[in-house]
Amino acid sequence: NAGVTQTPKFQVLKTGQSMTLQCAQDMNHEYMSWYRQDPGMGLRLIHYSVGAGITDQGEVPNGYNVSRSTTEDFPLRLLSAAPSQTSVYFCASRADVSYEQYFGPGTRLTVT
Amino acid sequence: KQEVTQIPAALSVPEGENLVLNCSFTDSAIYNLQWFRQDPGKGLTSLLLIQSSQREQTSGRLNASLDKSSGRSTLYIAASQPGDSATYLCAPDWRGSTLGRLYFGRGTQLTVWP
Repeated sequence: NAGVTQTPKFQVLKTGQSMTLQCAQDMNHEYMSWYRQDPGMGLRLIHYSVGAGITDQGEVPNGYNVSRSTTEDFPLRLLSAAPSQTSVYFCASRADVSYEQYFGPGTRLTVT
Repeated sequence: KQEVTQIPAALSVPEGENLVLNCSFTDSAIYNLQWFRQDPGKGLTSLLLIQSSQREQTSGRLNASLDKSSGRSTLYIAASQPGDSATYLCAPDWRGSTLGRLYFGRGTQLTVWP
């Protein structure tokens, strides 16, 4: 199993540009989520999904969209990048609340 | 909302010491609690998962205990090694959320020197 994969590893955007961060898992996990990690702030939940076709907002959803058309993929879209979105983004998945959460390697995004 | 506090924020010790990392959380209604390790520039690696019905969980030199009623978990690292240097994060899985999402502390940054 590859586990949770994320692409790209690094990205630089200009303010106002849009892009999609890709996340995929091959463990057939129902739960998937996106976090951002900022110095001094810890990990904060952006959006999550409890299965294909079902998504909901976390604590910092503004400026981001998600969709879940398959069990395997959970892309995160930045609609119009802002410098405040400079961060490291992690995708995670788990089978169920009784099981461990697995994280991807992260995408380091810089918005200038 | 679940608040998670980790003490100490940073720890620097010589190789061979036995270590205690502390985690406290405000709401004891949890499904379970996970401890993670994060190396600089990397993702999070799950170390231990303790179910709410368990008191402790062990993996090699690591032992995690859970006292749900007092809202505390402790990670013990025996005979520390330089390779243990990383940031350690605890994350309770709160029943108050429909997802069972994890709430993260800010971590303990551990440095073990030879």
